[in-house]
Amino acid sequence: AQSVTQPDIHITVSEGASLELRCNYSYGATPYLFWYVQSPGQGLQLLLKYFSGDTLVQGIKGFEAEFKRSQSSFNLRKPSVHWSDAAEYFCAVGAENDMRFGAGTRLTVKP
Amino acid sequence: DTAVSQTPKYLVTQMGNDKSIKCEQNLGHDTMYWYKQDSKKFLKIMFSYNNKELIINETVPNRFSPKSPDKAHLNLHINSLELGDSAVYFCASSQVQDGYTFGSGTRLTVV
Repeated sequence: AQSVTQPDIHITVSEGASLELRCNYSYGATPYLFWYVQSPGQGLQLLLKYFSGDTLVQGIKGFEAEFKRSQSSFNLRKPSVHWSDAAEYFCAVGAENDMRFGAGTRLTVKP
Repeated sequence: DTAVSQTPKYLVTQMGNDKSIKCEQNLGHDTMYWYKQDSKKFLKIMFSYNNKELIINETVPNRFSPKSPDKAHLNLHINSLELGDSAVYFCASSQVQDGYTFGSGTRLTVV
């Protein structure tokens, strides 16, 4: 089955600073890739997804991600972080009838 | 209209009891899932069903039995509840072109 690695368990950035969350996947075919965000006590909200086509994907809340097949990566970026972005972020790789999540990266935003 | 709805939202029960969590989706998706999120926030797939047929059963104890009466419903029944079953359980549905949509979760606490 496919697998996902999020190397950073916890990241702290200052409000207004740029952000990059790393995600590496393992899958034999072209993957479906996703980023989800989870605020404390809440469900999972889809930020963006990649199925095919343009490798730079725009999502909600000003997030974007870039699919790099040669690096098996799908890193999430945001140019300027807001305090409300503090949450847990999950990268996921989907195949037919099966989606696997990374362990998550907790984002803390300093004032 | 909620796309994927699961009930109850909270469930507190004693060890040894049997309980069920219900999930319904109104998106017309063919595939439905159950995920377990433990206290470390790790999201692990438990089951997936495609059009009422079991596709994935990820080494889940036999005490967990999913039931899919039709493709819009996937219920989770748990027998003889144990302390270690305490977690948040998420239902989801998917269709290739739509991606995955999650319910808001059921927080199960076994005391």
